[in-house]
Amino acid sequence: EPEVTQTPSHQVTQMGQEVILRCVPISNHLYFYWYRQILGQKVEFLVSFYNNEISEKSEIFDDQFSVERPDGSNFTLKIRSTKLEDSAMYFCASRGTGSIQETQYFGPGTRLLVL
Amino acid sequence: RKEVEQDPGPFNVPEGATVAFNCTYSNSASQSFFWYRQDCRKEPKLLMSVYSSGNEDGRFTAQLNRASQYISLLIRDSKLSDSATYLCVVIVIKAAGNKLTFGGGTRVLVKP
Repeated sequence: EPEVTQTPSHQVTQMGQEVILRCVPISNHLYFYWYRQILGQKVEFLVSFYNNEISEKSEIFDDQFSVERPDGSNFTLKIRSTKLEDSAMYFCASRGTGSIQETQYFGPGTRLLVL
Repeated sequence: RKEVEQDPGPFNVPEGATVAFNCTYSNSASQSFFWYRQDCRKEPKLLMSVYSSGNEDGRFTAQLNRASQYISLLIRDSKLSDSATYLCVVIVIKAAGNKLTFGGGTRVLVKP
């Protein structure tokens, strides 16, 4: 069964450093998403991406965040200058076209710890 | 008011028993509804979509009440492996976004 993959599984970084989280969505999917989940809290939407541009972003997704699809397979989330409060699990998701109810498939997540 | 609200639990359920819990949503324009399951420190996985007429998938039954803006999940004949956090998820349809809005989850612990 096709799956979304994410690397790295864990990332520890110092406050103020840049991090890039990588995702490989399911190959024929066209809609891509990043969500985050702070420990003990709910899953929160960050950004959706379609046709090489952001289609929607949340208020969490400020100027410190950016997304990119640098080639035909990877989808990345960059945090330019990490803050302590960026510590969370970051999930990538993708979905295909067709029915608006089509499932979003989640990757296993990257656990980011900012020290 | 939270967009999607759930009783956090935990619901302690004897193995073989039935458990049911609800989720309320605040946006009347919400159009798609789902239950996801999340195991500890893992990604959310789709359990089932929720349709207006209600739907069943094996031991799981989901209902939607648009008038009162809630959805429910019922688990029959609970198994130990049903222990997880159940996430209520809503989509308010937008052109290309279709972001998922999650509730905080209801924790279910099935015990022997």
